[in-house]
Amino acid sequence: DIQMTQFPSTLSASVGDRVTISCRASQDIGPWLAWYQQKPGRAPKLLISQASVLETRVPSRFSGNGSGTEFTLTINSLQPDDFATYFCHHWTFGQGSKVEVK
Amino acid sequence: QVRLEQSGPDLKKPGASLRVSCKASGYTFTSYYIMWVRQAPGQGLEWVGGLSPHNDKPNYAQKFQGRVTMTTDTPTTTAYLVLKRVTSDDTAVYYCARVRGFYDTSAPDWGQGTQVTVSS
Repeated sequence: DIQMTQFPSTLSASVGDRVTISCRASQDIGPWLAWYQQKPGRAPKLLISQASVLETRVPSRFSGNGSGTEFTLTINSLQPDDFATYFCHHWTFGQGSKVEVK
Repeated sequence: QVRLEQSGPDLKKPGASLRVSCKASGYTFTSYYIMWVRQAPGQGLEWVGGLSPHNDKPNYAQKFQGRVTMTTDTPTTTAYLVLKRVTSDDTAVYYCARVRGFYDTSAPDWGQGTQVTVSS
């Protein structure tokens, strides 16, 4: 199985901050990486597919970058609704990055 | 719209088999992979495996090989997950999700989740 390594596991931030989460694949996966947001008790929500393609109705403050084995998710101007856990995914999932209030 | 309706919560004794169903609607069932993901209490998402209803060829996570079976029933557009010989470590919320493809494994649609508890 491909291993996805995600960091940091926890990130403390304030409303208005720019945050970046990283994800590394154990082998070249091309552009085939997705990012999800999950809130407690809810199913994950797809934010970005193919490393950088924003899903419909996802705010433009979210952006994704990367290819091969190195990927990033950036949230510009963090909003109150963005405090959640984020996962990268290509078949297997990264360990998750919890964005919490500083 | 796309809908994935999962079976209800379940309680299993250690050593038993769990079975979760996922009824799909709103899209062409045979055109998309279904993947199964689980989430233990307070933990992250864990990929269990995926299956194409088109050819019924499963792709299981190594961790579950020998213990998991995924199937689909095209006439009823339903996917099934069976996990044998469960232990308390298998206590989790199990999700099914519609996956765009074998390479683009992004999943825009998810079931509501099924809580499975393993306890004697």
